[in-house]
Amino acid sequence: GDSVTQMEGPVTLSEEAFLTINCTYTATGYPSLFWYVQYPGEGLQLLLKATKADDKGSNKGFEATYRKETTSFHLEKGSVQVSDSAVYFCALRKGGGNKLTFGTGTQLKVEL
Amino acid sequence: EAGVTQFPSHSVIEKGQTVTLRCDPISGHDNLYWYRRVMGKEIKFLLHFVKESKQDESGMPNNRFLAERTGGTYSTLKVQPAELEDSGVYFCASSQGTTGSGNTIYFGEGSWLTVV
Repeated sequence: GDSVTQMEGPVTLSEEAFLTINCTYTATGYPSLFWYVQYPGEGLQLLLKATKADDKGSNKGFEATYRKETTSFHLEKGSVQVSDSAVYFCALRKGGGNKLTFGTGTQLKVEL
Repeated sequence: EAGVTQFPSHSVIEKGQTVTLRCDPISGHDNLYWYRRVMGKEIKFLLHFVKESKQDESGMPNNRFLAERTGGTYSTLKVQPAELEDSGVYFCASSQGTTGSGNTIYFGEGSWLTVV
């Protein structure tokens, strides 16, 4: 079946450091890919998405590129802030469907 | 516009008791979903309603879980009797449609359930 694998957390960075959170997927066909974020005490929020190969999703300084050849959708940010501390979830959705398949989540902690 | 709202936000119950979680989707959203995250694991799909009908309930773990959406508005998820392994965060989500720009899925803040 479909699956999403994320790098284990927690990840601890200093403010202004470069962030990469790895995400790879296994799925048949051409899924859409998503990054969701959960800030402390809040619900899941859609951070960015990409619907086809080579698409780049971006939002709030975060970027991720849909790489079909490596089945990856790594999340990056050039300079993290303390306010980016949250749990980040990579997810996929098969074409035409509404069921999201999530990874286990990666907790990010950014310190001053 | 109000987002997806869930109640209660936190619940602590004893093993064997019953808990009912409620979800109010975004107004006008026909599609409503339940997901669950147990401690440290991935968020897993439970089921999907289209209006009042269950479109897909393949993720429901067992018959101790009952989801309803009478009238196609709010939904409830009842766990009866609750077991220790049911502890986790239960997320509700909704979307307007299933294709195009209306298919973005919006999540609530989650209902945190602890079974002791």
